[in-house]
Amino acid sequence: DADVTQTPRNRITKTGKRIMLECSQTKGHDRMYWYRQDPGLGLRLIYYSFDVKDINKGEISDGYSVSRQAQAKFSLSLESAIPNQTALYFCATRGGEAFFGQGTRLTVV
Amino acid sequence: QKEVEQNSGPLSVPEGAIASLNCTYSDRGSQSFFWYRQYSGKSPELIMFIYSNGDKEDGRFTAQLNKASQYVSLLIRDSQPSDSATYLCALYNFNKFYFGSGTKLNVKP
Repeated sequence: DADVTQTPRNRITKTGKRIMLECSQTKGHDRMYWYRQDPGLGLRLIYYSFDVKDINKGEISDGYSVSRQAQAKFSLSLESAIPNQTALYFCATRGGEAFFGQGTRLTVV
Repeated sequence: QKEVEQNSGPLSVPEGAIASLNCTYSDRGSQSFFWYRQYSGKSPELIMFIYSNGDKEDGRFTAQLNKASQYVSLLIRDSQPSDSATYLCALYNFNKFYFGSGTKLNVKP
């Protein structure tokens, strides 16, 4: 099993729908991150968390929210999805370097 | 100005040649640097990290750091077609990872 697990792996949703992407980790790391990746733009930070009580906005947090339910779980929500949120989303943890989940490919139509 | 800059490529090299990938960064105080490899649609995977000025070798890979000039490079010796991927340069600063947009490497048989 992967150390950092994202669900779902692929999702197609309609404009205006609420969607949640989930991330769980077995590495015991405190620090967790959500990134989105778009062609030519690299990985951009959406939110990050140091523990369940410490949530921080990244460079592109508008339109997103997060919840740190436990040390091992960090969820990303799109309250009302729009087409320009179509992207590849990665969850990561930090233990020295960044460890990534497998990614969630989200398409908003 | 972006924290981390990379040439997007593509960089094409023949099989067996040395591939040289470069990255510059803006914050002179940055201390921790990473190179990740990413195959299309997959998650980034760590190749090397480097914290000190100079060279660090691991198998066919050599990372080079020059803090005075604010650049990091990755050399891949004896390049193989399986090395064809996008290479992401990253640094860790202010409790966050910053990623370049990646350089696409093509190794031609």
